Amino acid sequence: QAVVTQEPSLTVSPGGTVTLTCGSSTGVVTSGQWPYWFQQKPGQAPRTLIFDTSKKHSWTPTRFSGSLIGGKAALTLSGAQPEDEAEYFCMLHISDVRVFGGGTKVTVL
Amino acid sequence: QVQLQESGPGLVKPSETLSLTCTVSGAAIDRYFWTWIRQIPGKGLEWIGRIDDKGGLSYNPSLKSRAIISRDTPKNQFSLNLISVTAADTAIYYCARDKGCGSGGCSNQYDSWGQGTLVTVSS
Repeated sequence: QAVVTQEPSLTVSPGGTVTLTCGSSTGVVTSGQWPYWFQQKPGQAPRTLIFDTSKKHSWTPTRFSGSLIGGKAALTLSGAQPEDEAEYFCMLHISDVRVFGGGTKVTVL
Repeated sequence: QVQLQESGPGLVKPSETLSLTCTVSGAAIDRYFWTWIRQIPGKGLEWIGRIDDKGGLSYNPSLKSRAIISRDTPKNQFSLNLISVTAADTAIYYCARDKGCGSGGCSNQYDSWGQGTLVTVSS
């Protein structure tokens, strides 16, 4: 089964910018893999921030954006807020199976 | 507003079957795709499988055919049965809306999640 990789942890300063990436063992990540990004805080269910590479739900803060960069899916947080400290998971559609990355723990410090 | 609620036993014995139900309110289950996802506490997420609006099924092959997803349209519920469980199946189980698709495209992608239910496999 395909493996989806994310940075284990990243730190960003308040007001700063950080980019999380999501790679696939199958090769280049494309829009056809419908990249998703989820945010999860301790004790809570995940919340979807980004779907279909770059689309946002109504609740997604404008400071989050999704894209494809360097053969990977990417989630960019611009203007980090303390409440953005959380775990972020990406998910790709690979051969009719959804595969999650291992998650990135983002610390705002 | 769509709401999902998982229900089922919190404790299952090894080798037995884990059975969970997701009750949906605010959306007809035969109009959308629905999914089950699990998370070992403190670990990552694992996609279990999905049932689509026509009752079509898709599963994570890593579960080696132990997962069975079904739906009860009149009750507006969908269910997960996981057979021959072991301690490795101890996790928080979430149900979620996958998406809805029509002539205009798809929408509601993973927009609603249940709160999750912890299932422990232990004798």
